[in-house]
Amino acid sequence: AQSVAQPEDQVNVAEGNPLTVKCTYSVSGNPYLFWYVQYPNRGLQFLLKYITGDNLVKGSYGFEAEFNKSQTSFHLKKPSALVSDSALYFCAVRVSGSARQLTFGSGTQLTVLP
Amino acid sequence: NAGVTQTPKFQVLKTGQSMTLQCAQDMNHNSMYWYRQDPGMGLRLIYYSASEGTTDKGEVPNGYNVSRLNKREFSLRLESAAPSQTSVYFCASSEEGVSNQPQHFGDGTRLSIL
Repeated sequence: AQSVAQPEDQVNVAEGNPLTVKCTYSVSGNPYLFWYVQYPNRGLQFLLKYITGDNLVKGSYGFEAEFNKSQTSFHLKKPSALVSDSALYFCAVRVSGSARQLTFGSGTQLTVLP
Repeated sequence: NAGVTQTPKFQVLKTGQSMTLQCAQDMNHNSMYWYRQDPGMGLRLIYYSASEGTTDKGEVPNGYNVSRLNKREFSLRLESAAPSQTSVYFCASSEEGVSNQPQHFGDGTRLSIL
């Protein structure tokens, strides 16, 4: 089985402050982990992924995510938030070597306040 | 660079009507997917096609059918629409379904069933 939890429906942060969007996962095996962003009336856009190796993954638009195996987490971070970062963020997981498809979390709405 | 193109963008149907949602990708991807997005539930996989000539059920296939017309095109059909099928539908593609490659999404079809 595989599942993803995004414990916060909404995250608010002031522009210029660091932001964190949380994600925890549950899989039987080694995970592939992804973050996607969705702007209003658009499809999901890929931000970054963790496959193996370095636990800190860097992605598009200055975002990064930290893989923590012991805590089964993959939190999305950015050192300095922009108003333009306001969007819906999805974490997703699948098990490496498995035929099972991607499982998405329920999404976190990030609002960056000017 | 078009990527994944979905038509139509919006549609209103009456209960019991049928319609086909169209999807085409120009990235020479082998795998294609249909998801539905409902508030607070993330994306749920309806059907997918790992390669041309194959289709498989996802998490929520009931009430839908699909056709992988060729490598580029993957359509989703609602034979007898129900209000519970009111949703935003996304098509996606990826190089290989069982790889660690990200999925690329279209901008969605917003479907209302009255």
